[in-house]
Amino acid sequence: DAGVTQSPTHLIKTRGQHVTLRCSPISGHKSVSWYQQVLGQGPQFIFQYYEKEERGRGNFPDRFSARQFPNYSSELNVNALLLGDSALYLCASSSLPGGPQDTQYFGPGTRLTVL
Amino acid sequence: QKEVEQNSGPLSVPEGAIASLNCTYSDRGSQSFFWYRQYSGKSPELIMFIYSNGDKEDGRFTAQLNKASQYVSLLIRDSQPSDSATYLCAVTGGSARQLTFGSGTQLTVLP
Repeated sequence: DAGVTQSPTHLIKTRGQHVTLRCSPISGHKSVSWYQQVLGQGPQFIFQYYEKEERGRGNFPDRFSARQFPNYSSELNVNALLLGDSALYLCASSSLPGGPQDTQYFGPGTRLTVL
Repeated sequence: QKEVEQNSGPLSVPEGAIASLNCTYSDRGSQSFFWYRQYSGKSPELIMFIYSNGDKEDGRFTAQLNKASQYVSLLIRDSQPSDSATYLCAVTGGSARQLTFGSGTQLTVLP
């Protein structure tokens, strides 16, 4: 079975631009979460979606938005890019959030560089 | 603010030794605990999860959980150079049961 897939792998943008990152979860998984990982730190939670509904949001500005599609794939959008948005963006999928033993599996990530 | 603390390291052990990685968390309501391994430039890879107090073994890896002390650890027996990576401790909590990560411990296994 295919794991979590993300596209693109790498992306270079300039300040002020916007970016769209894409994620497809593991087949059968209905929940997608997005995390941002800057160099030297652990991943930080941005969003979680389940059945196309937002289930949770981390401490990120409104420039960050996301959505989930009927096929459970997801997009993360970031507007008005800042230098500090340079990071590895990770998508994780799980079968059901909130269950006692849900486990999140990560995709390969998208490396975003803002110049 | 919910926090997960790990020794940043780096931690160096000789090949064949036991590597011990430690993690503490602040939220007593945390229910699930995870260890991820992350090679440089790659995404986190799940190693183990643990939900109940005590030990859980999987091959060379043993996770230990003590909810009273808010402490979780990972032991790697017979460490190999291929185990050299950053190890991330994560706990779940919040309405979305999102993962809260520590900053990771960098482990180097010396041949």
